[in-house]
Amino acid sequence: DIQMTQSPSSLSASVGDSVTISCRASQSISNYLNWYQQKVGKAPKLLIYAASGLQGGVPSRFSGSGSGTDFTLTISSLQPEDFAIYYCQQSYSSPLTFGGGTKVEIK
Amino acid sequence: QVQLVQSGAEVKKPGASVKVSCKAFGYTFTNYAMQWVRQAPGQRLEWMGWINAGNGNTKYSEKFQGRLTITRDTSASTAYMELSSLRSEDTAVYYCARVDYYDSRGYLDFWGQGTLVTVSS
Repeated sequence: DIQMTQSPSSLSASVGDSVTISCRASQSISNYLNWYQQKVGKAPKLLIYAASGLQGGVPSRFSGSGSGTDFTLTISSLQPEDFAIYYCQQSYSSPLTFGGGTKVEIK
Repeated sequence: QVQLVQSGAEVKKPGASVKVSCKAFGYTFTNYAMQWVRQAPGQRLEWMGWINAGNGNTKYSEKFQGRLTITRDTSASTAYMELSSLRSEDTAVYYCARVDYYDSRGYLDFWGQGTLVTVSS
């Protein structure tokens, strides 16, 4: 199985800050990497597909980059509604696997 | 608009089975695959398996082989996830999610609201 490791596991930031979350795969996954946002008690929401594709309706302050084993999700100018847990997920091979999540909290 | 509506919360005893439904609205059900993902309390998301809603082909995580059955009813635009021989570790929120593709890269673009399954004696 491909292991997905996110860092940091949590971070504190202020509204307006720029935030970067990292995701590393245990082997190369090309750009078969997606990012999801999950708020408490809610289902995950797709933000980024294929490493850098912005899902429709998602604000442009969210961006993704990377290929191979190292990926990043960047939120420029953090907004109050962005405080949530973020997960990466690889779709390169079965079983599909998710990272452990990064909790973004208000400073 | 696309919506996935899941059945309600369940409480089951160890050894029992549970069947969760996921009804699709707003798109042609047979044109997409459906995946099932679960999340135990405080844990990461865990992929369970998926079904091609068009031809009914399935693929399961080896972790659930022999206990998991995913089916669909095309006339009802509904997918089902049945997990048997339940144990306490199966207590989790279970999600269905639609699969879409960009240049063969799969992603989960719409999710159900989740169904809490509690396994307790």
